[in-house]
Amino acid sequence: DIQMTQSPSSLSASVRDRVTITCRASQGIRSDLGWYQQKPGKAPKRLIYDASSLQSGVPSRFSGSGSGTEFTLTISSLQPEDFATYYCLQYNGYPWTFGQGTKVEIK
Amino acid sequence: EVQLVESGGELVHPGGSLRLSCATSGFTFSSYAMNWVRQAPGKGLEWISYIGRDSSAIYYADSVKGRFTISRDNAKNSLYLHMNSLRDEDTAVYYCTRDGSWGQGTLVTVSS
Repeated sequence: DIQMTQSPSSLSASVRDRVTITCRASQGIRSDLGWYQQKPGKAPKRLIYDASSLQSGVPSRFSGSGSGTEFTLTISSLQPEDFATYYCLQYNGYPWTFGQGTKVEIK
Repeated sequence: EVQLVESGGELVHPGGSLRLSCATSGFTFSSYAMNWVRQAPGKGLEWISYIGRDSSAIYYADSVKGRFTISRDNAKNSLYLHMNSLRDEDTAVYYCTRDGSWGQGTLVTVSS
Protein backbone atom coordinates (compact mmCIF):
# COMPACT_ATOMS: atom_id res chain seq x y z
CA ASP A 1 0.00 0.00 0.00
CA ILE A 2 1.08 3.57 -0.64
CA GLN A 3 1.65 5.53 2.57
CA MET A 4 1.00 9.27 2.62
CA THR A 5 2.96 11.27 5.18
CA GLN A 6 1.46 14.71 5.71
CA SER A 7 3.12 17.53 7.62
CA PRO A 8 2.74 19.39 9.79
CA SER A 9 -0.07 17.77 11.78
CA SER A 10 -1.14 21.22 12.96
CA LEU A 11 -0.13 24.82 12.57
CA SER A 12 -1.09 28.20 13.92
CA ALA A 13 -1.26 31.08 11.51
CA SER A 14 -2.69 34.57 11.20
CA VAL A 15 -5.03 36.01 8.62
CA ARG A 16 -3.10 36.95 5.47
CA ASP A 17 -0.27 34.54 6.26
CA ARG A 18 1.09 32.23 3.57
CA VAL A 19 0.58 28.61 4.58
CA THR A 20 2.20 25.50 3.11
CA ILE A 21 1.26 21.89 3.79
CA THR A 22 3.24 18.95 2.45
CA CYS A 23 2.43 15.35 1.58
CA ARG A 24 5.03 12.74 0.78
CA ALA A 25 4.14 9.44 -0.88
CA SER A 26 6.00 6.24 -0.07
CA GLN A 27 6.31 5.57 -3.80
CA GLY A 28 5.75 7.54 -6.96
CA ILE A 29 2.13 8.39 -7.69
CA ARG A 30 2.62 10.63 -10.75
CA SER A 31 0.16 13.50 -10.19
CA ASP A 32 -2.66 11.37 -8.80
CA LEU A 33 -3.22 13.47 -5.72
CA GLY A 34 -6.00 15.65 -4.35
CA TRP A 35 -6.29 18.10 -1.49
CA TYR A 36 -9.39 18.36 0.68
CA GLN A 37 -10.62 20.86 3.25
CA GLN A 38 -12.87 19.75 6.08
CA LYS A 39 -14.65 21.91 8.62
CA PRO A 40 -16.13 20.48 11.83
CA GLY A 41 -19.30 18.48 11.25
CA LYS A 42 -19.07 18.84 7.48
CA ALA A 43 -18.09 16.58 4.60
CA PRO A 44 -14.65 17.10 3.05
CA LYS A 45 -14.50 19.49 0.11
CA ARG A 46 -12.07 18.96 -2.71
CA LEU A 47 -9.82 21.94 -3.41
CA ILE A 48 -7.23 20.53 -5.80
CA TYR A 49 -7.14 17.47 -8.06
CA ASP A 50 -4.40 15.96 -10.20
CA ALA A 51 -1.89 17.66 -7.87
CA SER A 52 -2.30 21.16 -9.28
CA SER A 53 -5.74 21.62 -10.87
CA LEU A 54 -8.02 23.97 -8.98
CA GLN A 55 -11.51 22.65 -8.37
CA SER A 56 -14.20 24.84 -9.90
CA GLY A 57 -15.42 27.46 -7.45
CA VAL A 58 -12.39 27.25 -5.17
CA PRO A 59 -10.62 30.59 -4.55
CA SER A 60 -7.37 31.14 -6.42
CA ARG A 61 -5.44 31.64 -3.16
CA PHE A 62 -5.33 27.84 -3.01
CA SER A 63 -2.74 26.13 -5.18
CA GLY A 64 -1.14 22.73 -5.43
CA SER A 65 2.17 21.58 -6.80
CA GLY A 66 4.37 18.53 -7.06
CA SER A 67 4.52 15.15 -8.73
CA GLY A 68 6.00 11.77 -8.02
CA THR A 69 6.44 11.65 -4.25
CA GLU A 70 6.43 15.27 -3.01
CA PHE A 71 3.34 17.47 -3.03
CA THR A 72 2.45 20.84 -1.59
CA LEU A 73 -0.74 22.73 -0.87
CA THR A 74 -0.26 26.48 -0.54
CA ILE A 75 -2.71 29.06 0.72
CA SER A 76 -1.26 32.35 -0.44
CA SER A 77 -3.14 34.61 1.96
CA LEU A 78 -5.03 32.84 4.73
CA GLN A 79 -8.59 34.00 5.22
CA PRO A 80 -10.83 33.52 8.28
CA GLU A 81 -12.90 30.89 6.47
CA ASP A 82 -9.77 28.81 5.75
CA PHE A 83 -9.32 27.65 9.33
CA ALA A 84 -10.04 23.95 8.95
CA THR A 85 -8.38 20.56 8.61
CA TYR A 86 -6.71 19.67 5.31
CA TYR A 87 -6.08 16.21 3.91
CA CYS A 88 -4.20 14.90 0.91
CA LEU A 89 -5.47 11.81 -0.92
CA GLN A 90 -3.57 9.63 -3.36
CA TYR A 91 -5.64 7.84 -5.99
CA ASN A 92 -2.84 6.32 -8.01
CA GLY A 93 -3.87 2.86 -6.92
CA TYR A 94 -6.09 0.98 -4.53
CA PRO A 95 -6.25 1.16 -1.63
CA TRP A 96 -6.57 4.92 -1.86
CA THR A 97 -4.81 6.49 1.10
CA PHE A 98 -5.18 9.79 2.88
CA GLY A 99 -2.62 11.82 4.74
CA GLN A 100 -3.13 12.13 8.49
CA GLY A 101 -4.47 15.66 8.20
CA THR A 102 -3.26 19.16 9.04
CA LYS A 103 -5.32 21.30 11.38
CA VAL A 104 -4.92 24.99 10.60
CA GLU A 105 -5.71 27.08 13.65
CA ILE A 106 -5.86 30.78 14.38
CA LYS A 107 -2.77 32.27 15.99
CA GLU B 1 -25.92 19.83 -9.56
CA VAL B 2 -24.39 16.61 -8.29
CA GLN B 3 -26.16 15.33 -5.19
CA LEU B 4 -25.22 12.36 -3.03
CA VAL B 5 -27.46 11.52 -0.08
CA GLU B 6 -26.47 8.75 2.30
CA SER B 7 -28.90 6.98 4.60
CA GLY B 8 -29.18 3.89 6.75
CA GLY B 9 -26.80 4.72 9.56
CA GLU B 10 -27.94 3.86 13.08
CA LEU B 11 -26.93 2.27 16.36
CA VAL B 12 -26.16 -1.43 16.00
CA HIS B 13 -24.74 -4.04 18.36
CA PRO B 14 -21.34 -5.65 17.75
CA GLY B 15 -21.73 -8.55 15.35
CA GLY B 16 -24.77 -6.97 13.77
CA SER B 17 -25.47 -5.98 10.19
CA LEU B 18 -26.51 -2.82 8.41
CA ARG B 19 -27.07 -1.61 4.86
CA LEU B 20 -26.16 1.91 3.87
CA SER B 21 -27.60 3.57 0.79
CA CYS B 22 -26.47 6.51 -1.30
CA ALA B 23 -29.08 8.09 -3.53
CA THR B 24 -27.63 10.14 -6.35
CA SER B 25 -28.89 12.77 -8.77
CA GLY B 26 -27.61 15.45 -11.10
CA PHE B 27 -25.36 13.21 -13.17
CA THR B 28 -25.40 9.99 -15.18
CA PHE B 29 -24.79 7.55 -12.36
CA SER B 30 -23.95 4.61 -14.63
CA SER B 31 -21.02 6.54 -16.11
CA TYR B 32 -19.10 6.92 -12.86
CA ALA B 33 -17.18 4.73 -10.48
CA MET B 34 -18.07 5.27 -6.83
CA ASN B 35 -16.34 4.96 -3.49
CA TRP B 36 -17.17 4.75 0.20
CA VAL B 37 -14.99 6.62 2.70
CA ARG B 38 -15.44 6.71 6.46
CA GLN B 39 -14.30 8.83 9.37
CA ALA B 40 -14.25 7.61 12.94
CA PRO B 41 -15.09 10.24 15.58
CA GLY B 42 -12.21 12.69 15.93
CA LYS B 43 -10.08 10.77 13.44
CA GLY B 44 -8.93 11.10 9.85
CA LEU B 45 -10.42 9.85 6.62
CA GLU B 46 -10.26 6.20 5.58
CA TRP B 47 -11.13 4.88 2.12
CA ILE B 48 -13.00 1.59 2.41
CA SER B 49 -14.42 0.50 -0.94
CA TYR B 50 -14.61 1.14 -4.71
CA ILE B 51 -17.00 -0.08 -7.38
CA GLY B 52 -16.61 0.46 -11.10
CA ARG B 53 -19.29 1.79 -13.40
CA ASP B 54 -20.66 -1.64 -14.27
CA SER B 55 -19.66 -3.38 -11.02
CA SER B 56 -16.97 -5.35 -12.86
CA ALA B 57 -14.21 -3.98 -10.63
CA ILE B 58 -14.58 -3.92 -6.84
CA TYR B 59 -11.95 -3.22 -4.19
CA TYR B 60 -11.95 -3.14 -0.39
CA ALA B 61 -9.69 -1.91 2.35
CA ASP B 62 -8.19 -4.73 4.38
CA SER B 63 -10.06 -3.43 7.44
CA VAL B 64 -13.45 -4.36 5.93
CA LYS B 65 -12.61 -7.10 3.44
CA GLY B 66 -14.79 -10.16 3.93
CA ARG B 67 -17.29 -8.25 6.09
CA PHE B 68 -18.52 -5.42 3.84
CA THR B 69 -19.98 -5.66 0.34
CA ILE B 70 -20.34 -2.75 -2.04
CA SER B 71 -22.99 -2.82 -4.74
CA ARG B 72 -24.87 -0.49 -7.03
CA ASP B 73 -28.14 -0.33 -8.94
CA ASN B 74 -27.66 1.81 -12.02
CA ALA B 75 -31.39 1.72 -12.77
CA LYS B 76 -32.07 3.32 -9.37
CA ASN B 77 -29.02 5.65 -9.41
CA SER B 78 -28.05 4.21 -6.05
CA LEU B 79 -24.97 2.90 -4.29
CA TYR B 80 -25.01 0.52 -1.34
CA LEU B 81 -22.74 -0.78 1.39
CA HIS B 82 -23.75 -3.99 3.11
CA MET B 83 -21.96 -4.29 6.43
CA ASN B 84 -21.79 -7.55 8.38
CA SER B 85 -20.00 -8.64 11.56
CA LEU B 86 -19.80 -5.04 12.72
CA ARG B 87 -17.19 -4.10 15.31
CA ASP B 88 -16.78 -1.19 17.69
CA GLU B 89 -14.05 0.17 15.41
CA ASP B 90 -16.52 0.43 12.52
CA THR B 91 -18.17 3.34 14.33
CA ALA B 92 -17.83 6.26 11.92
CA VAL B 93 -19.51 8.65 9.56
CA TYR B 94 -19.75 6.93 6.18
CA TYR B 95 -19.54 9.03 3.01
CA CYS B 96 -20.23 8.06 -0.58
CA THR B 97 -18.07 9.89 -3.09
CA ARG B 98 -17.86 10.45 -6.84
CA ASP B 99 -14.67 12.12 -7.97
CA GLY B 100 -14.59 15.27 -5.87
CA SER B 101 -18.23 15.19 -4.79
CA TRP B 102 -19.20 13.89 -1.38
CA GLY B 103 -22.47 13.29 0.39
CA GLN B 104 -23.19 14.66 3.85
CA GLY B 105 -22.49 11.30 5.46
CA THR B 106 -24.44 8.90 7.64
CA LEU B 107 -23.40 7.92 11.16
CA VAL B 108 -22.97 4.28 12.08
CA THR B 109 -22.53 3.56 15.78
CA VAL B 110 -21.52 0.07 16.86
CA SER B 111 -21.98 -0.38 20.58
CA SER B 112 -23.46 -2.78 23.06
